[in-house]
Amino acid sequence: DQQVKQNSPSLSVQEGRISILNCDYTNSMFDYFLWYKKYPAEGPTFLISISSIKDKNEDGRFTVFLNKSAKHLSLHIVPSQPGDSAVYFCAARGSNDYKLSFGAGTTVTVRA
Amino acid sequence: DTAVSQTPKYLVTQMGNDKSIKCEQNLGHDTMYWYKQDSKKFLKIMFSYNNKELIINETVPNRFSPKSPDKAHLNLHINSLELGDSAVYFCASSQGAGLSPLHFGNGTRLTVT
Repeated sequence: DQQVKQNSPSLSVQEGRISILNCDYTNSMFDYFLWYKKYPAEGPTFLISISSIKDKNEDGRFTVFLNKSAKHLSLHIVPSQPGDSAVYFCAARGSNDYKLSFGAGTTVTVRA
Repeated sequence: DTAVSQTPKYLVTQMGNDKSIKCEQNLGHDTMYWYKQDSKKFLKIMFSYNNKELIINETVPNRFSPKSPDKAHLNLHINSLELGDSAVYFCASSQGAGLSPLHFGNGTRLTVT
């Protein structure tokens, strides 16, 4: 039973434009949300996070938005660069949970 | 100075064999994890240890047994390997729960023939 869902398996965007990745969750106990980036043959690397008391968190070109009432979050990458081509995973956990539940991932391809 | 390292990177073995994957972290974290990424690319948690104590034990066949000799190491032993065990296994560590991110190793690709 997938509690974190990324319904777009892939996204293609032109270099310099905005990439928007979406994530939905079903567990209302989730309080912390993290995004990971993964290159082939490497482990996922942490990108950015947000807690449920905020609706936006920004770090350089990456911004995460959280709509808790809709149980929806999104990751914006502006501007997109070729090095951003990777698989992006959305993940979530409860406030006292160690278990981090992952979505299925979205493969982003940035075209030159 | 790799933060989370796991060995081997590739493991090819036959059905019925027993194999182990080792993981070490030098971040000083108190919690370590094993995740499995199957052919559909889902990352699913298998086990977690906090200060050498098992805190997460998902529905995993008991052929899989984790062992944590100290908080910097978490090994995964698999008995009687089956074809369906073929996957990429990731080790990770974190300092606590909440917003503390997991730091992942580069994975071990296990192929059972």
